Amino acid sequence: GQQVMQIPQYQHVQEGEDFTTYCNSSTTLSNIQWYKQRPGGHPVFLIQLVKSGEVKKQKRLTFQFGEAKKNSSLHITATQTTDVGTYFCAGRGSGGSNYKLTFGKGTLLTVNP
Amino acid sequence: NAGVTQTPKFRVLKTGQSMTLLCAQDMNHEYMYWYRQDPGMGLRLIHYSVGEGTTAKGEVPDGYNVSRLKKQNFLLGLESAAPSQTSVYFCASSWTGGNEQFFGPGTRLTVL
Repeated sequence: GQQVMQIPQYQHVQEGEDFTTYCNSSTTLSNIQWYKQRPGGHPVFLIQLVKSGEVKKQKRLTFQFGEAKKNSSLHITATQTTDVGTYFCAGRGSGGSNYKLTFGKGTLLTVNP
Repeated sequence: NAGVTQTPKFRVLKTGQSMTLLCAQDMNHEYMYWYRQDPGMGLRLIHYSVGEGTTAKGEVPDGYNVSRLKKQNFLLGLESAAPSQTSVYFCASSWTGGNEQFFGPGTRLTVL
């Protein structure tokens, strides 16, 4: 079945440093979504990418979808303590049973003030 | 709108006991999902539903059953709880499959 790998598993940065997490799928995706989960909280949707090579920005966050629609990245510029949490990518397959998202295991970001 | 709600928030069971987790959404979403989250394992799909009266197996369905008798509710049952089912359970819903999912606050279950 479809697998979504996410790296790194953990990342600790000093406040103000940049952060990037990468997501790779074993199969071509129809779209990819990113979620953020604060400690003790639930996943919250950030964004969805659909087109090959798509780049979207949300303030300090930049999301990219690869040309082959098999990989994606989330980059945070100048991290802040409010960025702390686990970031998950979730891919939707391009096959017939596209009712489901396959989540990566997430990257836990901690920020030292 | 309350969004997605889950009851209970916490529960401790003994091995072999049964329980039902309730998920409710007020957004008129067709699709609903049950996930479990374990440290280092991310979110794993247990069962899902594409509409009232339908259910389907996800990635880790063994030991769980579900029902979707009403569009707004999705129930997750554990017939005979095992320590391996200690986890945080999240319910989610979406308009269509593969679109943005809205998550509930989670249920923390411990099986002794």
